[in-house]
Amino acid sequence: NAGVTQTPKFRVLKTGQSMTLLCAQDMNHEYMYWYRQDPGMGLRLIHYSVGEGTTAKGEVPDGYNVSRLKKQNFLLGLESAAPSQTSVYFCASTTGSSGNTIYFGEGSWLTVV
Amino acid sequence: RKEVEQDPGPFNVPEGATVAFNCTYSNSASQSFFWYRQDCRKEPKLLMSVYSSGNEDGRFTAQLNRASQYISLLIRDSKLSDSATYLCVVGGGSQGNLIFGKGTKLSVKP
Repeated sequence: NAGVTQTPKFRVLKTGQSMTLLCAQDMNHEYMYWYRQDPGMGLRLIHYSVGEGTTAKGEVPDGYNVSRLKKQNFLLGLESAAPSQTSVYFCASTTGSSGNTIYFGEGSWLTVV
Repeated sequence: RKEVEQDPGPFNVPEGATVAFNCTYSNSASQSFFWYRQDCRKEPKLLMSVYSSGNEDGRFTAQLNRASQYISLLIRDSKLSDSATYLCVVGGGSQGNLIFGKGTKLSVKP
């Protein structure tokens, strides 16, 4: 019953360092999403993908890149981390229609110092 | 007007109380509506979908008013375990995107 799995769960980065967050889903979902959640801001969409090999920008894409080389994986990259990217990151997936349930990973807590 | 707006809360209620959350959305073309629940430091999880005719699941009742672009969630006989943040979610964009409200925090006290 893996569902949506995110790694790592916790990470501390220094400003300027790079890292990649991995999201994996085993439900054969077409759509995958990366959100960040900050106090008082709610969930904000960073990037999303509607299928293998496709990606698109969300509401707050600056400073992030993504790749969807395999249907089950959606990677979120920070090329040069900044303190403003300190946040909780949630990956999510769904079958492809906005009428279907979206499933979230457990979150990745990232601190940039 | 923000895409999805919710009562800011927090709502502090005693056990057994009835509490109602409201949510408005700006895109009249929206087609799907949900309530999600998020516990502290956890991921959001689906509480219930919201259908045009309204729907009920135990102590929870959700309603949709398309004309007013308004969604509601009613919780009857509140339990301590209902304490959480409740997120209103609206979908229907061309890319299958879902728009989340900022959430309303509920705290049920003994």
